Amino acid sequence: KNEVEQSPQNLTAQEGEFITINCSYSVGISALHWLQQHPGGGIVSLFMLSSGKKKHGRLIATINIQEKHSSLHITASHPRDSAVYICAVPSAYNQGGKLIFGQGTELSVKP
Amino acid sequence: KAGVTQTPRYLIKTRGQQVTLSCSPISGHRSVSWYQQTPGQGLQFLFEYFSETQRNKGNFPGRFSGRQFSNSRSEMNVSTLELGDSALYLCASSLGGSLETQYFGPGTRLLVL
Repeated sequence: KNEVEQSPQNLTAQEGEFITINCSYSVGISALHWLQQHPGGGIVSLFMLSSGKKKHGRLIATINIQEKHSSLHITASHPRDSAVYICAVPSAYNQGGKLIFGQGTELSVKP
Repeated sequence: KAGVTQTPRYLIKTRGQQVTLSCSPISGHRSVSWYQQTPGQGLQFLFEYFSETQRNKGNFPGRFSGRQFSNSRSEMNVSTLELGDSALYLCASSLGGSLETQYFGPGTRLLVL
């Protein structure tokens, strides 16, 4: 079993739909990263959170440290949201840990 | 502020050759991490440098090595290239490490023939 599991692995949505991507992890962590990768390779950090909820525009990320689970929500999805979304957790409680990645969720939003 | 830059962006090599990739972090960032991304394995951690010291290393053979200079710029080297080394190599910089926002470079796409 992978230390970081994402679901679903692939997701197709219609423009305007509400989207949820889930991330579960088995290691103890103090923070979790959500990343976005567009075709062509570039990766952008969306959120880093250690508790509760963060919001940026139409994106919302939540985390439950006790349940070892995080979700990324996209409201009013748009074709430009089509990308691979990756969650990553540090392997240690200090800055020197490495990032362990989920396998990614490939999202396609149709107009 | 300029973003993270990586050179070269594309590279074609043959088996047995060696390659050096470069990463220039955002000014002021002292942590640089390197990752390999392949369709089959996804993103995998190679190593992380902080203030010229390797602080962490992933599960890759010794053919993969790196270093960081006093200006925080980092290089990674792969010797005796194998076909399986074909991948996108990404670096990311941050102020202090994995508990902070990571800023990724555009990557170097390496093809080994």
